[in-house]
Amino acid sequence: DTEVTQTPKHLVMGMTNKKSLKCEQHMGHRAMYWYKQKAKKPPELMFVYSYEKLSINESVPSRFSPECPNSSLLNLHLHALQPEDSALYLCASSQDSASAELRTQYFGPGTRLLVL
Amino acid sequence: QKEVEQDPGPLSVPEGAIVSLNCTYSNSAFQYFMWYRQYSRKGPELLMYTYSSGNKEDGRFTAQVDKSSKYISLFIRDSQPSDSATYLCAMSGHAGGTSYGKLTFGQGTILTVHP
Repeated sequence: DTEVTQTPKHLVMGMTNKKSLKCEQHMGHRAMYWYKQKAKKPPELMFVYSYEKLSINESVPSRFSPECPNSSLLNLHLHALQPEDSALYLCASSQDSASAELRTQYFGPGTRLLVL
Repeated sequence: QKEVEQDPGPLSVPEGAIVSLNCTYSNSAFQYFMWYRQYSRKGPELLMYTYSSGNKEDGRFTAQVDKSSKYISLFIRDSQPSDSATYLCAMSGHAGGTSYGKLTFGQGTILTVHP
């Protein structure tokens, strides 16, 4: 089973709202990732968690706050977003981020976010 | 210059055609190469993964890597309308390199296979 699940599928929020995106995998993977994807563009890496610790933050604004409660779950907390943050937010996981041959990433279906 | 260059297309072919998708890269630290397929409004789906120069085949798909030329390809044989999607190449480096822990994507090629 190579499934990564994400909820919700769609989210509309105002600029003053606080919301969270959730991601779950049961493949025993120890690395999890958040990406942002705008239309007709490739995914852009936001955060990497390795063994439940934040290992990469790609200079993402603080209005995005990741959390990894355990090895299967990854959250992205959203607060005071801007309309330009509207995008498809993708979660991915891989067995490991340390060993390159185990770094093949499997993506979830994404959460389509619209900020009004 | 982008680290990974991929012709965005769009590419339109008749059903049954052989499709060739290509990426070039400039960072010699890239050692691992992937192809993803992304249908509209869905997440990317891993198609192929390879880490050595040469060919790797899986059904109708063949991934080819030429590290000396920094060039990778994906061939789709007997293309089907269901292959219509965006194809993304992606690469990562070895531990200790600047691309460690990250995937670097090409821009994606939009493919349409018409009946």
